[in-house]
Amino acid sequence: EPEVTQTPSHQVTQMGQEVILRCVPISNHLYFYWYRQILGQKVEFLVSFYNNEISEKSEIFDDQFSVERPDGSNFTLKIRSTKLEDSAMYFCASSERWRRALHFGNGTRLTVT
Amino acid sequence: AQKITQTQPGMFVQEKEAVTLDCTYDTSDPSYGLFWYKQPSSGEMIFLIYQGSYDQQNATEGRYSLNFQKARKSANLVISASQLGDSAMYFCAMREGGTGANSKLTFGKGITLSVRP
Repeated sequence: EPEVTQTPSHQVTQMGQEVILRCVPISNHLYFYWYRQILGQKVEFLVSFYNNEISEKSEIFDDQFSVERPDGSNFTLKIRSTKLEDSAMYFCASSERWRRALHFGNGTRLTVT
Repeated sequence: AQKITQTQPGMFVQEKEAVTLDCTYDTSDPSYGLFWYKQPSSGEMIFLIYQGSYDQQNATEGRYSLNFQKARKSANLVISASQLGDSAMYFCAMREGGTGANSKLTFGKGITLSVRP
């Protein structure tokens, strides 16, 4: 069964550094998302992406965050200057159509020290 | 106001028994979808079941069923014949609206389920 893949599974970075989290969504899916989950807390929406542009973003998704779909298969989340509070599990998800379920990757655990 | 409310702090169930996990939602949009996801301790998010607001019948997927009460705005997940592997966090989520661009899911806080042998 096709799945969403995320790399790396764990990323440790120093405060102020840039990180890029990578995702390969399911190939025939059209809608792409990033969510994050701070340890033990709820899953929070960051951004949705459709037709090569951001369709919606949350207040968490400030100027430090950006997304790209550079080559038609990868979907990346960049954090320009990481803060301690960016430490969380970041999930990529994709959906075939808007009514369909989101399929999540296994997540990237980001630790900012 | 919270869009998805999951108030049960933690649930325990005996293996092979059924359990109901509660979820209430708040929306003024007539078109919406409700989802349940399972998150085991390993961390991945696993899609379980979907209910559309216009669906006439309650959704079922194997041992999972959704008790959809539209007037009460509740979408409780029922797991029948619990197994030890059902021990996990369970999230209720909602998608609102009828346009593709507004397709994000909003999640509740989750409920921890522990299955006892």
